[in-house]
Amino acid sequence: AQSVTQPDIHITVSEGASLELRCNYSYGATPYLFWYVQSPGQGLQLLLKYFSGDTLVQGIKGFEAEFKRSQSSFNLRKPSVHWSDAAEYFCAVGAYYDMRFGAGTRLTVKP
Amino acid sequence: EAQVTQNPRYLITVTGKKLTVTCSQNMNHEYMSWYRQDPGLGLRQIYYSMNVEVTDKGDVPEGYKVSRKEKRNFPLILESPSPNQTSLYFCASSPSRQGDVSGANVLTFGAGSRLTVL
Repeated sequence: AQSVTQPDIHITVSEGASLELRCNYSYGATPYLFWYVQSPGQGLQLLLKYFSGDTLVQGIKGFEAEFKRSQSSFNLRKPSVHWSDAAEYFCAVGAYYDMRFGAGTRLTVKP
Repeated sequence: EAQVTQNPRYLITVTGKKLTVTCSQNMNHEYMSWYRQDPGLGLRQIYYSMNVEVTDKGDVPEGYKVSRKEKRNFPLILESPSPNQTSLYFCASSPSRQGDVSGANVLTFGAGSRLTVL
């Protein structure tokens, strides 16, 4: 069965510092992979997705993620974090009708 | 604006009092689904619908009902709410091409409905 693990429940970074959020998945075939962001009081917004092709994908708000099949990982990165990036981030795997979400990583940004 | 609209956004109710959370999308999407979000558990699927009059259970369907009489609406019904249904609920939708088994589509989420059952 497919599943997603986000090892970090909570991460704190300073504004301007780089960010990497980890995501490991278990999936039987070539996975569809997603990162969503949830700002306080908001729904989930798609940051980026991987279906096939180039393993480094660019998303909105300056985020990128790299698919590494050998490590079953799809880590999210940003070179310089802004205070407005404080939110909860969810990694997800699977087709739209059978999508599995990780437990989420809450990002706090220090001034 | 393309969106998924949920109502109410916030609700406090008591055990056993039937309630309905509405969900409507204006994107002509075939697929709709309901999730609940609980701390440390991420999002778990409650029910989903591949098209009008077609619904199926997700991972945590107990205590919930749904219906899909129209393409745009997918209400979530709690016939007799209990405190363990206190949660944040999300409705989502996606296009679904007929015969497409790849599943390579993106979910659009509503803003969420925070439900408290006392």
